[in-house]
Amino acid sequence: NAGVTQTPKFQVLKTGQSMTLQCAQDMNHEYMSWYRQDPGMGLRLIHYSVGAGITDQGEVPNGYNVSRSTTEDFPLRLLSAAPSQTSVYFCASSFRQGAYNSPLHFGNGTRLTVT
Amino acid sequence: GQQVMQIPQYQHVQEGEDFTTYCNSSTTLSNIQWYKQRPGGHPVFLIQLVKSGEVKKQKRLTFQFGEAKKNSSLHITATQTTDVGTYFCAAGGTSYGKLTFGQGTILTVHP
Repeated sequence: NAGVTQTPKFQVLKTGQSMTLQCAQDMNHEYMSWYRQDPGMGLRLIHYSVGAGITDQGEVPNGYNVSRSTTEDFPLRLLSAAPSQTSVYFCASSFRQGAYNSPLHFGNGTRLTVT
Repeated sequence: GQQVMQIPQYQHVQEGEDFTTYCNSSTTLSNIQWYKQRPGGHPVFLIQLVKSGEVKKQKRLTFQFGEAKKNSSLHITATQTTDVGTYFCAAGGTSYGKLTFGQGTILTVHP
């Protein structure tokens, strides 16, 4: 089991460029999510999905798109990168435990710099 | 939306001292999870609390969920240098799906 795999590990973009951060999990988890981590801000939810074909917005969705065409993959698209999107991005997944989220499994993160 | 406040933001202790971080919400939570993130790493799940007044222990770590299910705490007894990292609470609301993280407490342990 690879768990949650994120690529790339590092990325530098120029303002206005677009890119896709990849996330894949091999645990058959229903739930997948994207967080960004900034100093002093903790982990902020960008988008999440409770199953294939279903996505919803988190706290900070502006400037990001997601899709969930398969259970395994949950890519995060930056449409037009801005310096404010410089951050560390984490993908996380979990299975549903009744009404609650079960423990999140995190990927190793993508460190993105926008110049 | 749901907000979770976590304090303190930083805590510096001498090895052997105790440490506590607190998580507070203005709304009733369905459950709360705790994570630890080592420097340069990713968050790793520690525990989940679901019941009002619940207390769980893992070796030197004690986790509590408030009676009103609006607050939680993590207490570490006799810290060790291996405890260094950032501790996050993550709160589940009334519907499945969203987990809201606190800002985290950065723990430094001086040997």
